[in-house]
Amino acid sequence: GNSVTQMEGPVTLSEEAFLTINCTYTATGYPSLFWYVQYPGEGLQLLLKATKADDKGSNKGFEATYRKETTSFHLEKGSVQVSDSAVYFCALSDRGAQKLVFGQGTRLTINP
Amino acid sequence: NAGVTQTPKFQVLKTGQSMTLQCAQDMNHNSMYWYRQDPGMGLRLIYYSASEGTTDKGEVPNGYNVSRLNKREFSLRLESAAPSQTSVYFCASESAPGAGNTIYFGEGSWLTVV
Repeated sequence: GNSVTQMEGPVTLSEEAFLTINCTYTATGYPSLFWYVQYPGEGLQLLLKATKADDKGSNKGFEATYRKETTSFHLEKGSVQVSDSAVYFCALSDRGAQKLVFGQGTRLTINP
Repeated sequence: NAGVTQTPKFQVLKTGQSMTLQCAQDMNHNSMYWYRQDPGMGLRLIYYSASEGTTDKGEVPNGYNVSRLNKREFSLRLESAAPSQTSVYFCASESAPGAGNTIYFGEGSWLTVV
């Protein structure tokens, strides 16, 4: 079956540091890939997505590229801010939310 | 634009009590979902409704029932709550099942069963 493996957290960085959160997946077929973010006490928000190989999703300074050859969708940001502190979930789906498979989440804390 | 609205946000139940979590979306979406979120496990699908009038089991349906009341509303019921159902519950919706569609989540309902 489909699965998602995320870099284990928690991750703590200083403001303006470079961020990478690794995500790899196993899937049959050609799923869409997502990063969701969950701020403290809130629900999940879609951060970015990519629907086919070599697509790059981007939003709020975050980027991730759908790499079929390495089955990866790593999340990156060049300069993080305190407001980026949250839990980040990598997910994939080959048929909408019925088949949405999440990674375990990575808690990110940014210190000023 | 409210999006997906869940109630209540917090609830404490005693073992054996029943309760219903309510969810409504105002985006005219066909499909709605209930997930639970447990530490270190991401989100797992409990039940879903691909369209009005249909419901199906997800990965972890035991101990739950659902009702798709109309196109807007999808409720989750715990008939006899157990401590293992202590979790954060999320409702979600999408326009229709599809690999690239954006899925919208509610803000979550924190449930504790003592």
